[in-house]
Amino acid sequence: GENVEQHPSTLSVQEGDSAVIKCTYSDSASNYFPWYKQELGKRPQLIIDIRSNVGEKKDQRIAVTLNKTAKHFSLHITETQPEDSAVYFCAASRPSSASKIIFGSGTRLSIRP
Amino acid sequence: EAQVTQNPRYLITVTGKKLTVTCSQNMNHEYMSWYRQDPGLGLRQIYYSMNVEVTDKGDVPEGYKVSRKEKRNFPLILESPSPNQTSLYFCASSAKTGFGGYTFGSGTRLTVV
Repeated sequence: GENVEQHPSTLSVQEGDSAVIKCTYSDSASNYFPWYKQELGKRPQLIIDIRSNVGEKKDQRIAVTLNKTAKHFSLHITETQPEDSAVYFCAASRPSSASKIIFGSGTRLSIRP
Repeated sequence: EAQVTQNPRYLITVTGKKLTVTCSQNMNHEYMSWYRQDPGLGLRQIYYSMNVEVTDKGDVPEGYKVSRKEKRNFPLILESPSPNQTSLYFCASSAKTGFGGYTFGSGTRLTVV
């Protein structure tokens, strides 16, 4: 079955610097890769996603890149701000089996003032 | 407002006492799923449903039951809760296409003593 590995498990960056979180997946048939942000005590919320037919997607300060050959994808946050502090989860699925979204183990991102 | 509603938010119970966590969505989503979240383990899928009367096991189904008698509701049942089921539980739903990811409920923090 699908397995998603996420690194690092914790990340601390200076406010204003960039943060990068990396994930690898095992199922080459996966073609949808969402990223979720979970603030303390809150539910996970979708922040950006990418389909396998594109290599990069950007939304303001966040971007996701996908390398299908290597089966890895990354989340990039630029100009980090205190409100970016949260746990971030990557995930992978085949929308033909959309109910089987597999999540990575999460990255706790802390932004230092 | 489009949402997934879980109840209760917090529950403390004793070993062996049957309980049900309710989940309802108002987005007419076909797919629904239950996850448990434990420190360092991320989000692990318990059960999922692709439509009414169609359910299947996720990665950690032992000790849980579900039913999908109506499209909007997907209750999680613990017939005989044990302390190792102490966790944070999330219900989630998504459209049939799979793209767009899951919308999560606000979570149920369960403690079994």
